Amino acid sequence: DQQVKQNSPSLSVQEGRISILNCDYTNSMFDYFLWYKKYPAEGPTFLISISSIKDKNEDGRFTVFLNKSAKHLSLHIVPSQPGDSAVYFCAADTGNQFYFGTGTSLTVIP
Amino acid sequence: DTEVTQTPKHLVMGMTNKKSLKCEQHMGHRAMYWYKQKAKKPPELMFVYSYEKLSINESVPSRFSPECPNSSLLNLHLHALQPEDSALYLCASTPGGDRDTQYFGPGTRLTVL
Repeated sequence: DQQVKQNSPSLSVQEGRISILNCDYTNSMFDYFLWYKKYPAEGPTFLISISSIKDKNEDGRFTVFLNKSAKHLSLHIVPSQPGDSAVYFCAADTGNQFYFGTGTSLTVIP
Repeated sequence: DTEVTQTPKHLVMGMTNKKSLKCEQHMGHRAMYWYKQKAKKPPELMFVYSYEKLSINESVPSRFSPECPNSSLLNLHLHALQPEDSALYLCASTPGGDRDTQYFGPGTRLTVL
């Protein structure tokens, strides 16, 4: 059973608007969460992370929010740009193993 | 069945051993991938088997060789590995193209002594 879930396989957003990608998890042992971005024919590349002791982490246009009580995290991209079009994976780390979500394919429309 | 399974979960091998990692999915997916992941680093793409065609990351040493006996199975054969090859080896599959949602297996944790 998937311990990390991304329930939206795809998302389309107009350039300049906000993109919100969501991720839910089931294992309360996860203490570190990451977002990866993946272009076709390449491996995922690290985007942003958050420790379970925080509820928000910001890096430029990217902000990750963590709601531990709801076991939910989200990635906000503001403003969205066409170059942001890619597949986005969330991942959770217990310290021993990574668990990946299935990804959300983001398309930013010019 | 919405899982990608990988066996074994853990493997310890010597530098002269030959071993294989197995990856299996029964979702009818047309593309399967092998990744290598070092601790706290993102996965590095090693091989892609998509629509019966194998694509190789040219930086991957020849001591790793993939084999696809059928559309649901992707093996990774290991021979004469080095200690620096110790890592988590992840398998993934997608229904079709590379922009599809990607299902990852739990990984095989490999230690080379």
